[in-house]
Amino acid sequence: SQQGEEDPQALSIQEGENATMNCSYKTSINNLQWYRQNSGRGLVHLILIRSNEREKHSGRLRVTLDTSKKSSSLLITASRAADTASYFCATAGTTDSWGKLQFGAGTQVVVTP
Amino acid sequence: ETGVTQSPTHLIKTRGQQVTLRCSSQSGHNTVSWYQQALGQGPQFIFQYYREEENGRGNFPPRFSGLQFPNYSSELNVNALELDDSALYLCASSLGQGAYGYGYTFGSGTRLTVV
Repeated sequence: SQQGEEDPQALSIQEGENATMNCSYKTSINNLQWYRQNSGRGLVHLILIRSNEREKHSGRLRVTLDTSKKSSSLLITASRAADTASYFCATAGTTDSWGKLQFGAGTQVVVTP
Repeated sequence: ETGVTQSPTHLIKTRGQQVTLRCSSQSGHNTVSWYQQALGQGPQFIFQYYREEENGRGNFPPRFSGLQFPNYSSELNVNALELDDSALYLCASSLGQGAYGYGYTFGSGTRLTVV
């Protein structure tokens, strides 16, 4: 079963625009991570936010976490064609499940020049 | 620093056969996790190995098994292949079971097709 649910399922934007995608999850977490995947290949780790953090930045990426609403958002600013990919959120649980990442179904982002 | 290497990249097997997939973890990483990703879905956790022992398992039957070697490389074995086993199999390595908050390094995956 999927822990995270991304929204929207697909997003089409033009270069230079911002892309925002959301993730909701069901159970308590240790941290939440965002990954990018190009064309069904390997996943690339983008950013990790711990449960006691509310916002984190990395380059053009901004991630927020609201543990009271069990939700997170990923913002990509000034998007580029190279940002075209699927984006997944993944949660790491607490206690004995913290080594297991639970992924959502992903948001497919297409950035057109 | 080397990344995670998986082999083979593509594989076609017949239903009922057995398959072994291999993964070399990133230098310095002692934990390996395996994930199955069906087309259009997010990855599903199969199991994790830490210091050569299975440390957590997802909802997969016993015909999915694994090994981790002293050099922290790993194998995923699947017996009695079924058509639904067709998927991208991803290996991820990390330092420690919970990745110490630094995320996981994934390989490029093995695309398994069962016919």
